[in-house]
Amino acid sequence: AQSVTQLGSHVSVSEGALVLLRCNYSSSVPPYLFWYVQYPNQGLQLLLKYTTGATLVKGINGFEAEFKKSETSFHLTKPSAHMSDAAEYFCAVSDDYKLSFGAGTTVTVRA
Amino acid sequence: DAGVTQSPTHLIKTRGQHVTLRCSPISGHKSVSWYQQVLGQGPQFIFQYYEKEERGRGNFPDRFSARQFPNYSSELNVNALLLGDSALYLCASSYSAGGGGGISPLHFGNGTRLTVT
Repeated sequence: AQSVTQLGSHVSVSEGALVLLRCNYSSSVPPYLFWYVQYPNQGLQLLLKYTTGATLVKGINGFEAEFKKSETSFHLTKPSAHMSDAAEYFCAVSDDYKLSFGAGTTVTVRA
Repeated sequence: DAGVTQSPTHLIKTRGQHVTLRCSPISGHKSVSWYQQVLGQGPQFIFQYYEKEERGRGNFPDRFSARQFPNYSSELNVNALLLGDSALYLCASSYSAGGGGGISPLHFGNGTRLTVT
C-alpha cells in the first residue's frame, strides 16, 4: 500500500525565513504526490502535485516541492514565510481512487 | 462557479443515533469522495463514487454507507454513532473517474463538523 510520512508535527519559522516541510513516501510504483494546505475551519486546498516529468514542481503562493526518487522524498519549501502561511500542511499520495494523507505539519509564523 | 458545498456545517448527535451528511459537487463533476478527519490527524478515505457506482471503500465499518444521486450529489450515512465518530467529514469532487486526483484534481468542501456526545 502506498503511504506518506511527514517528519515533524509542528514547525515554527520567523516571517521572511525559509519554510521547509518534510515528506517521505512509500510506493511500489511511480507515485502521484500532492501537498495540500488547510486553514482553520476550512477544507483542503491543493498547493501542488507531482505526476510525471519535471522533478521540481511549482505551486501556488510561492511554494515548490522537489521529487527525489533516490531519497523517496517530496519536501515542500517556500523561500520567505509570510504570516498568511500559518496553517496545517498535508502531504498525500494517490492511487486509482483515493488519496492517502500524512498526519500533517502545523506551521506557525513568528512576526 | 460554486465550489463543493456540504451541509450541515456543524452537527451534534448522541451516541447510538444516526446521521446523514450531504455534499453537492462542483457543476460538471461526476466523482465524489468522502474523508474523515479526526482532530490532529490527516484525512482518512471512506468512499469514492463515480457515476453513481461505488469505486472504492476505505477501512471503515458497515455502519458507514453512502450513495450518489443522478445529479451527482451524495450522502454519507453513519448509523449507531460512537464517540469516536466525532470528526470533520470532508467531501471532495473531481471531473474524472479517478478519485486519487492524478488526472483531474480533487476539490474539497469545507466539511461538516460532527460531534458525538
